Amino acid sequence: DVKVTQSSRYLVKRTGEKVFLECVQDMDHENMFWYRQDPGLGLRLIYFSYDVKMKEKGDIPEGYSVSREKKERFSLILESASTNQTSMYLCASRPGDSTYEQYFGPGTRLTVT
Amino acid sequence: AQSVTQPDIHITVSEGASLELRCNYSYGATPYLFWYVQSPGQGLQLLLKYFSGDTLVQGIKGFEAEFKRSQSSFNLRKPSVHWSDAAEYFCAVEGGGFKTIFGAGTRLFVKA
Repeated sequence: DVKVTQSSRYLVKRTGEKVFLECVQDMDHENMFWYRQDPGLGLRLIYFSYDVKMKEKGDIPEGYSVSREKKERFSLILESASTNQTSMYLCASRPGDSTYEQYFGPGTRLTVT
Repeated sequence: AQSVTQPDIHITVSEGASLELRCNYSYGATPYLFWYVQSPGQGLQLLLKYFSGDTLVQGIKGFEAEFKRSQSSFNLRKPSVHWSDAAEYFCAVEGGGFKTIFGAGTRLFVKA
């Protein structure tokens, strides 16, 4: 089974802190994604990566950065957390072929106080 | 602009009753369409997808969906709902350039 794991299920941080969310996949997928999920808004793409050290902005990249130093790991970084970044963060991976199916991690619920 | 609309924020059905979740999309070319399910506390799981061919597609857990180009719809159906189907359901379209566009989701409640 494809497995996508996220480092934390729940996280509470203070405003201004630097926050790291880690995601690891075990299926050698080329593509990895970070989404933000908010009620009534569905999933919105923050960043994605199609190869090691390669990254592209999604629809809402402001306030976030990412890092992909190894193929299996994709990190989301909040440089200075703000209360409006309180949300559920979902990581996903996808193979480089044309199946387009994404495999999701369980999510990290981040609260910024 | 590409978009996905799920008109129902939540739906309640009785266990054993049939289910239909609506999805409308806006996309210029032939769409690649998906339905995902998110059970409480979990990530999304693919139920089914449509790329081409037969417009009625079968998925996991007894779900099916029908692609209707004339109506720009891709509705999800199940003939008999089980209590374990209570979850949030997302319709999505492959937008190209690595971007998948998700609808806002429909939360399904199942009553005994």
